[in-house]
Amino acid sequence: ETGVTQTPRHLVMGMTNKKSLKCEQHLGHNAMYWYKQSAKKPLELMFVYSLEERVENNSVPSRFSPECPNSSHLFLHLHTLQPEDSALYLCASSQDRKAGGLYEQFFGPGTRLTVL
Amino acid sequence: SQELEQSPQSLIVQEGKNLTINCTSSKTLYGLYWYKQKYGEGLIFLMMLQKGGEEKSHEKITAKLDEKKQQSSLHITASQPSHAGIYLCGAGRYKLSFGAGTTVTVRA
Repeated sequence: ETGVTQTPRHLVMGMTNKKSLKCEQHLGHNAMYWYKQSAKKPLELMFVYSLEERVENNSVPSRFSPECPNSSHLFLHLHTLQPEDSALYLCASSQDRKAGGLYEQFFGPGTRLTVL
Repeated sequence: SQELEQSPQSLIVQEGKNLTINCTSSKTLYGLYWYKQKYGEGLIFLMMLQKGGEEKSHEKITAKLDEKKQQSSLHITASQPSHAGIYLCGAGRYKLSFGAGTTVTVRA
């Protein structure tokens, strides 16, 4: 496997379910990101992990819980979601930011989540 | 937060014709990224621009950054069906903000 992979690719869940999204990067990066892409809205940054420490959560509801056990893996734990949480969830990775440095983010294929 | 406005929202171009997409930022641009997305899929990195006046090209795609105008443009020469998709601009140091995207349709 190369690049950034995400599983599952599609997920349908009820509002009372608990599920997790998984992301894995094979690029040797040490920063990982979760984004949400809803219909007719710009891509929104949810969480950033840099060197396995969460550095930004962007006021995301607590029903979304990220976990980054190491620099290659990122999870998004979901519980008691709402129908409006239905969206494409994208994971990305990059080299860690450094003062004055810019590094492109590489994205996975996304998980299409439907909350019933 | 940084807001990015893309124009046009969508466009249809005849195969072989050129097209241009613009991205305007509400704040100073420290880095500007162009991505391409096929509907419902992940983003494919195209180019990153860092300095005012910088211009980069890859195959038939050219991107420019006008730092003073806080704008970037993406130009495709002699469009092909493979150029169809959604083009997104993103900006920021690591907390990227994205534009709403421009949907490109290439007609044979």
